[in-house]
Amino acid sequence: SQQGEEDPQALSIQEGENATMNCSYKTSINNLQWYRQNSGRGLVHLILIRSNEREKHSGRLRVTLDTSKKSSSLLITASRAADTASYFCATGKTSGSRLTFGEGTQLTVNP
Amino acid sequence: NAGVTQTPKFQVLKTGQSMTLQCAQDMNHNSMYWYRQDPGMGLRLIYYSASEGTTDKGEVPNGYNVSRLNKREFSLRLESAAPSQTSVYFCASSALFRETEAFFGQGTRLTVV
Repeated sequence: SQQGEEDPQALSIQEGENATMNCSYKTSINNLQWYRQNSGRGLVHLILIRSNEREKHSGRLRVTLDTSKKSSSLLITASRAADTASYFCATGKTSGSRLTFGEGTQLTVNP
Repeated sequence: NAGVTQTPKFQVLKTGQSMTLQCAQDMNHNSMYWYRQDPGMGLRLIYYSASEGTTDKGEVPNGYNVSRLNKREFSLRLESAAPSQTSVYFCASSALFRETEAFFGQGTRLTVV
């Protein structure tokens, strides 16, 4: 099963609204990363948060990490139509071999 | 600076045929990965190479082989393609194994008929 699980699976909002996506995971991690994938394209890295960090910002993105709840959230503020994409969380474990991806949240921002 | 380059972008194979997917990165990264992406399954790791000269199995290695040709190149081979291998394949690289962000290629859409 996937280490990271995003919630919701799909989200539809209006331009200008904020979008929040959540990610839960099961085992101890070294870091958690968020990626964006536009339709038919490869994944693009958005932000990495390490296990000893609680919050990180990058432009309109805000990521939080709660290691006690094994969860993370990605907030996109003032969304734009160009933010329409699938968003994936990926976890880097403290042990083990892989950067493990969830199934993604499909975000649609309506103009 | 091209990043991660995959070839080909599209491929149709008949069941039982073989092919090699090529991947090259120009960022001097140590680690390289092959993932497959299927609807509703997210990305699953097939094989990875933590550093030049090493390769290891990921989550779904059956039916695949890899070669880390040098620091830049990491190829994925399907010896006898099966319809279950119809998928989109992504190559990725990162500076340090598990520790840093991964950069992805544009993907290879493979159909096995």
